[in-house]
Amino acid sequence: SQTIHQWPATLVQPVGSPLSLECTVEGTSNPNLYWYRQAAGRGLQLLFYSVGIGQISSEVPQNLSASRPQDRQFILSSKKLLLSDSGFYLCAWSRQGRTFFGQGTRLTVV
Amino acid sequence: SQQGEEDPQALSIQEGENATMNCSYKTSINNLQWYRQNSGRGLVHLILIRSNEREKHSGRLRVTLDTSKKSSSLLITASRAADTASYFCVCAGGTSYGKLTFGQGTILTVHP
Repeated sequence: SQTIHQWPATLVQPVGSPLSLECTVEGTSNPNLYWYRQAAGRGLQLLFYSVGIGQISSEVPQNLSASRPQDRQFILSSKKLLLSDSGFYLCAWSRQGRTFFGQGTRLTVV
Repeated sequence: SQQGEEDPQALSIQEGENATMNCSYKTSINNLQWYRQNSGRGLVHLILIRSNEREKHSGRLRVTLDTSKKSSSLLITASRAADTASYFCVCAGGTSYGKLTFGQGTILTVHP
């Protein structure tokens, strides 16, 4: 069966520190992969999506970057976190019309 | 953009009543999906309806799709307190291959 792993579940980081959130997918090949951010009480904002290894589309200019070093691995990074980077980050994958989400990472930048 | 826009933004009902949420989108799609998010957690896929379908059922859920009006509705019948959550629609396909964008969602509160 297909599963998606996203970790950590919660993270508290100081301003200016680096960030690396990892997402891996099992049970499928060549999925489309996504990173979303959700601010408190609001909808999901699409940050990055990838339709293949090394192919990253960025939706909004920001302090973050994404990489896809392997077919089923998607990494969200930042060199220096800002307070405004706080939020709930969700990784997702889709294939053949179905989309599945990880459990999310709640990031608090202090 | 394929962004779905949900309406209303918030809905408050009593247990046992039906809840209807609507979603509108802008361009052609291959399918439309509805998701539920309980507070502070990941999203759960509820139902997918393809562009050539007009209605689909899953348990207490009924989804309709009107491609001529570029709109969809999600009906939850005989609501329960456990249905309290945010509901999102997302459109897939069309010209933006691989891109999935969500609306702001509808916050549903079911009072026991």
